[in-house]
Amino acid sequence: GESVGLHLPTLSVQEGDNSIINCAYSNSASDYFIWYKQESGKGPQFIIDIRSNMDKRQGQRVTVLLNKTVKHLSLQIAATQPGDSAVYFCAEINNAGNMLTFGGGTRLMVKP
Amino acid sequence: GAGVSQSPRYKVAKRGQDVALRCDPISGHVSLFWYQQALGQGPEFLTYFQNEAQLDKSGLPSDRFFAERPEGSVSTLKIQRTQQEDSAVYLCASSLSNSGYGYTFGSGTRLTVV
Repeated sequence: GESVGLHLPTLSVQEGDNSIINCAYSNSASDYFIWYKQESGKGPQFIIDIRSNMDKRQGQRVTVLLNKTVKHLSLQIAATQPGDSAVYFCAEINNAGNMLTFGGGTRLMVKP
Repeated sequence: GAGVSQSPRYKVAKRGQDVALRCDPISGHVSLFWYQQALGQGPEFLTYFQNEAQLDKSGLPSDRFFAERPEGSVSTLKIQRTQQEDSAVYLCASSLSNSGYGYTFGSGTRLTVV
């Protein structure tokens, strides 16, 4: 069935470097995507979202890029900090807007 | 409260035991969702309420799983005759709108079936 997935299960970066986390999706009809951060023992926390009529959206230290041609999402984190260490999920909302489909997650590890 | 509250935080159940997991959504939030998260995986949709109405229960894995939200606020997810494959974190989320936009997740209940 339709699904959202990720390329890399673990990403290790040096503190201060930029991080890029990738995600592929298969439902070409999806029009809303969200990146979540999940720390150990906590629920997913909203980071940034993007609609399909955009190809880029920026937040504070984070940027999401959407390439609809190849059905690919990425999350860029600038100047990665130890507090960014977590598992990151991309997710899409169904057409009814009431169900999230998550990928398997990428663990980001920040080395001091 | 300020966020979505779930209890208990941890639950250990013997195989065959019934369990009940509670979710207190953010006050005034119309929509409430339950997700199941297996170790190392992303959350998977279980069921969705709009006020007290359960509008979608397509994700419930079997008839051993039952959810309710009788007064449109607190919700309970019940699992009967628990099995080892039910071990997971059960996440609750709520949303102010009639949709999933603007979800706020709770910290979850970690269920371990032994």
